[in-house]
Amino acid sequence: AQTVTQSQPEMSVQEAETVTLSCTYDTSESNYYLFWYKQPPSRQMILVIRQEAYKQQNATENRFSVNFQKAAKSFSLKISDSQLGDTAMYFCAFMKPGGEDSNYQLIWGAGTKLIIKP
Amino acid sequence: NAGVTQTPKFRVLKTGQSMTLLCAQDMNHEYMYWYRQDPGMGLRLIHYSVGEGTTAKGEVPDGYNVSRLKKQNFLLGLESAAPSQTSVYFCASSYPGLAGSSYNEQFFGPGTRLTVL
Repeated sequence: AQTVTQSQPEMSVQEAETVTLSCTYDTSESNYYLFWYKQPPSRQMILVIRQEAYKQQNATENRFSVNFQKAAKSFSLKISDSQLGDTAMYFCAFMKPGGEDSNYQLIWGAGTKLIIKP
Repeated sequence: NAGVTQTPKFRVLKTGQSMTLLCAQDMNHEYMYWYRQDPGMGLRLIHYSVGEGTTAKGEVPDGYNVSRLKKQNFLLGLESAAPSQTSVYFCASSYPGLAGSSYNEQFFGPGTRLTVL
């Protein structure tokens, strides 16, 4: 079974600083997908970034980028030039690719509460 | 296009009462999911459906039932609520695209906060 671990329950940084959130996972699969979701106080789940395991290039979306280390089973999220609106819970999640035994279920980490201070 | 909606947004129940949470999506998605979110834990899958008329158990199905009579709706029922079911419930939907597609994005509703006293 797959597991996802986020070892930082809470982090806080000053506005405009760069912050890195950690995520490790365990799987015997060779191909899979990894995600970072943001959950602001509104509770809405928002997809931030996605990484496909068979792609060596790290995914980037504007100020958000990942450091994907497949051998180490590590998937960290870097937020550059942090903004007050980045304050939220951030969840790392794992998905097996589609196939006979896959329901596209997401396996979630426990989350990291990120606070951006003015 | 409303996406995924959930009804109600908040509810307080007494132990032993029953209720149904409604999830609706207008994106013609095949797959639908019910998750629960508890403090200090990630979301956990309760039940899911891969199409109209089908349902399957997820990671934590005990105490819940589901139905998918219409493609756009996925209902989550609590027959006899217990304090352990106090949680935030999320519905999600996705479209697997082509048969055997390796990836599909899940779209989430706004959640329902349920308190069982």
